[in-house]
Amino acid sequence: GESVGLHLPTLSVQEGDNSIINCAYSNSASDYFIWYKQESGKGPQFIIDIRSNMDKRQGQRVTVLLNKTVKHLSLQIAATQPGDSAVYFCAENRLNTGNQFYFGTGTSLTVIP
Amino acid sequence: NAGVTQTPKFRILKIGQSMTLQCAQDMNHNYMYWYRQDPGMGLKLIYYSVGAGITDKGEVPNGYNVSRSTTEDFPLRLELAAPSQTSVYFCASSYSAGVSPLHFGNGTRLTVT
Repeated sequence: GESVGLHLPTLSVQEGDNSIINCAYSNSASDYFIWYKQESGKGPQFIIDIRSNMDKRQGQRVTVLLNKTVKHLSLQIAATQPGDSAVYFCAENRLNTGNQFYFGTGTSLTVIP
Repeated sequence: NAGVTQTPKFRILKIGQSMTLQCAQDMNHNYMYWYRQDPGMGLKLIYYSVGAGITDKGEVPNGYNVSRSTTEDFPLRLELAAPSQTSVYFCASSYSAGVSPLHFGNGTRLTVT
């Protein structure tokens, strides 16, 4: 069936290194994608979004890449800091389901000082 | 500008009890949503609203009810609490559907015993 999923449930990186978190989606009608960060005991926090007419978008220390051919989304975090430790998950907006968002299960990022 | 505010933060209910989870937003968003988050699972949509007086079921609506009498408030009602409703509940709002990100509250952790 269709799903939004992440390739790796956990990721550990050294402080200062770059992090890459991946997300696969299978609904070709999805046109808008968001990355969220969730710290323990808090709600999801918007990081960056991208529309299907783009393949790359950059923010402050973060870059999202969208490969529509293989239905793959990635989040790159540059110079990862201890404050980046959290669960990251992607969300896709599916046009053919009334513009509802579907969420991945998340990748837990741990930054090692 | 407080964003999305949820109360209470924590609650323990006995089976069969009822309660209302409160959600308010001060961003003048028309769209509001209730999600539940279970361990190892992506956020699941319970109910949503596209404006005052309009609500609709999401993916997992059974056992819940909502109302939307004002733009700001979107309470979620549990009438007969069951252990399966033990979860973390998140309220979210957005400016529009499918083209702008969801803004989340910090959640209500509910335990039903």
